[in-house]
Amino acid sequence: EDKVVQSPLSLVVHEGDTVTLNCSYEVTNFRSLLWYKQEKKAPTFLFMLTSSGIEKKSGRLSSILDKKELSSILNITATQTGDSAIYLCAVVAYSGAGSYQLTFGKGTKLSVIP
Amino acid sequence: DGGITQSPKYLFRKEGQNVTLSCEQNLNHDAMYWYRQDPGQGLRLIYYSQIVNDFQKGDIAEGYSVSREKKESFPLTVTSAQKNPTAFYLCASSRPGLAGGGDTQYFGPGTRLTVL
Repeated sequence: EDKVVQSPLSLVVHEGDTVTLNCSYEVTNFRSLLWYKQEKKAPTFLFMLTSSGIEKKSGRLSSILDKKELSSILNITATQTGDSAIYLCAVVAYSGAGSYQLTFGKGTKLSVIP
Repeated sequence: DGGITQSPKYLFRKEGQNVTLSCEQNLNHDAMYWYRQDPGQGLRLIYYSQIVNDFQKGDIAEGYSVSREKKESFPLTVTSAQKNPTAFYLCASSRPGLAGGGDTQYFGPGTRLTVL
């Protein structure tokens, strides 16, 4: 069974700190890894990673995939209170006959305190 | 404005009844998805559709049914066979589907279903 594990499950930091969120996966026929930010209701897309070792960056957020270690990290530098959210990792895998599987981790709840 | 709409926001249903959740998008996206979110469980994929008149089961399709007769619409029916339907349901869409690696998914605001 495909599995996606995120750590830590929750994290409390002070504004200005740098945080690293982890996502590891065990899937067959890996296709891509996706990061989302969920603040209140609907998640918003952050990154899609398909190639190992290539960093994707958007402002203070960056992410990198390590296919050898079957994992990805999401870094947030100089955290702000607006970064408080649940960060979700999802993995897309090919399951055969034209079908794909998308599996989410349980998320990391980040709380940034002033 | 372009986006995804879900209705209703809150829905109450008696046990044994079927209920249909609406999802509409005007983003001209080919792919649409339904997820269920329970506390501590993250998001789980129920069904997805990569193109009109085609859809695939996700991880937890039992007790649910969908149709994709129009590109803009992907309604989800929660049937009486679904043993634990009380949850938060999210609909999403994207340009290419999972075959394209996933790409940016835009989510609707969600429907909270409560079975009484």
